Amino acid sequence: QQQVKQSPQSLIVQKGGISIINCAYENTAFDYFPWYQQFPGKGPALLIAIRPDVSEKKEGRFTISFNKSAKQFSLHIMDSQPGDSATYFCAASIPGNQFYFGTGTSLTVIP
Amino acid sequence: DVKVTQSSRYLVKRTGEKVFLECVQDMDHENMFWYRQDPGLGLRLIYFSYDVKMKEKGDIPEGYSVSREKKERFSLILESASTNQTSMYLCASSSIRVEQFFGPGTRLTVL
Repeated sequence: QQQVKQSPQSLIVQKGGISIINCAYENTAFDYFPWYQQFPGKGPALLIAIRPDVSEKKEGRFTISFNKSAKQFSLHIMDSQPGDSATYFCAASIPGNQFYFGTGTSLTVIP
Repeated sequence: DVKVTQSSRYLVKRTGEKVFLECVQDMDHENMFWYRQDPGLGLRLIYFSYDVKMKEKGDIPEGYSVSREKKERFSLILESASTNQTSMYLCASSSIRVEQFFGPGTRLTVL
């Protein structure tokens, strides 16, 4: 059973556009929600993370929106660039640090 | 910077062989993890360890075992490799309740 559901599986966006990736979860014990970025041939690296006591977190062009009541969170990439082309994973963590990952979104930004 | 290294980037083995994947981290992290990554399935947790000589099963432990004799080293063992274990294997480490840092991955092919 997938603990964290991620969509879409793939996404193509024009340069300068907004990329949006969505995730949903069921377990209300989750208290940490990171997003990881993975380039081909590399391991995933933390991009941005949020805890459920805030509804939004912004770092540069990357924003997490968090809706606790709907048990959903999303990643918004503003002014998307070709260098943002990568696979993105959402995740959720329970106390004790076990992470549950989404299935990933392959983002392609077209110049 | 945290560094997580994995012994091999690419590995080709034959069905029935015993396979060892090694992971070393240099940040004195308590926690270490082994995942496998498959297209459309995301990252799935195989085993994790919160301390030396301690191990816990993840979501897909069948066909795998692990060893943690030293804090910085976490080994994944395939006792008798099978073709359905062809995958990308990712090691990660973390301190308690902090982000997981990933290694570059080992792409294992079992023929």
